[in-house]
Amino acid sequence: NAGVMQNPRHLVRRRGQEARLRCSPMKGHSHVYWYRQLPEEGLKFMVYLQKENIIDESGMPKERFSAEFPKEGPSILRIQQVVRGDSAAYFCASSPWGWGNQPQHFGDGTRLSIL
Amino acid sequence: AQKITQTQPGMFVQEKEAVTLDCTYDTSDQSYGLFWYKQPSSGEMIFLIYQGSYDEQNATEGRYSLNFQKARKSANLVISASQLGDSAMYFCAMRGQAGGTSYGKLTFGQGTILTVHP
Repeated sequence: NAGVMQNPRHLVRRRGQEARLRCSPMKGHSHVYWYRQLPEEGLKFMVYLQKENIIDESGMPKERFSAEFPKEGPSILRIQQVVRGDSAAYFCASSPWGWGNQPQHFGDGTRLSIL
Repeated sequence: AQKITQTQPGMFVQEKEAVTLDCTYDTSDQSYGLFWYKQPSSGEMIFLIYQGSYDEQNATEGRYSLNFQKARKSANLVISASQLGDSAMYFCAMRGQAGGTSYGKLTFGQGTILTVHP
């Protein structure tokens, strides 16, 4: 049973470009979460999605960031007009439901570097 | 709002000894879950152990156990018989109850770097 798949593993962008990060959840998981980790810090929640719906986007910056989880295909975290401060590791996690004792299973992350 | 505090930025332990990593939390939810994750230098996040707020017994998973003291709002991770491969960053996290404002998402602490010496 494949785990959470994130790609690319590393992404380099110049300031002003767009970054697209992809996440395929574990088989059978319909709940997807995105987190951001700055160097030497813990993970910070960004957005929680369930198929075709955004459940909680309280951690998403109001501008330039968006996320989707379409009926078919992976979840996408999109960052428009990237700035240096967007450099971080972005982790996707999935779970079969959003509560209870089921842990969130994480992908290996995408390391985004902004030149 | 939920908050996780890990007060130990770094811990050192001798191989084969036990070590306790501290975690305290704050929440207004009546029902919640506490998790520990390990992040090795390679960067991935590995789930270790879970404790539910209504679980009467402390959780155990192999060499990992969770010392849950609800009244003190603490959920310390105990690693027994430390191994060199245990050297990593360890994160405590919590998730709120269904229907609450913290539903679904995990709130993480700042982490503790554990170094195991041979």
